[in-house]
Amino acid sequence: GESVGLHLPTLSVQEGDNSIINCAYSNSASDYFIWYKQESGKGPQFIIDIRSNMDKRQGQRVTVLLNKTVKHLSLQIAATQPGDSAVYFCAGADYKLSFGAGTTVTVRA
Amino acid sequence: NAGVMQNPRHLVRRRGQEARLRCSPMKGHSHVYWYRQLPEEGLKFMVYLQKENIIDESGMPKERFSAEFPKEGPSILRIQQVVRGDSAAYFCASSLGGTVNTEAFFGQGTRLTVV
Repeated sequence: GESVGLHLPTLSVQEGDNSIINCAYSNSASDYFIWYKQESGKGPQFIIDIRSNMDKRQGQRVTVLLNKTVKHLSLQIAATQPGDSAVYFCAGADYKLSFGAGTTVTVRA
Repeated sequence: NAGVMQNPRHLVRRRGQEARLRCSPMKGHSHVYWYRQLPEEGLKFMVYLQKENIIDESGMPKERFSAEFPKEGPSILRIQQVVRGDSAAYFCASSLGGTVNTEAFFGQGTRLTVV
């Protein structure tokens, strides 16, 4: 199965700055990765996904980068807003999701 | 189209009692996954079910825990003779197919407290 892990447990960001959250995975055969956002007291919410045949994928204010050589994922959030404060998880997917421990992002006003 | 519905949202049980957690997947979804989340930790896979079948229960404790997804009705995660260590948030997710091809949607979770 997949094993994923995040590099930093916490990240403090000034409102308006860009955020970068990193994640590493262990299974070279994994071909699908997802970033989730979890706000306090709620379930994980899908942010963006990427397949292994891509290096980069962009959504609204978010970009996911995949480096297969070093088995590394990152999530970039542009112009971070207070509503972005949450725990962010990367997950590797085959028929089930394997989650990392999460990075808690706190946005400073 | 309602999302994944879990109930109850909060459940308090005394040690030794049974806990039954329910999950109604999104309409049309036939794949259900249960995850457990301890405070300050990530989500740990427990079990993957399709209608009337358990596909993968490799994350389920060997004793006291069981899950089902009947032909009709919600998926049920059952914990018998609960202990304090069972206190956690339990999340259910559903998808149209296996997550390798389709997005999984999560419910709001059931927070189990064992006293």
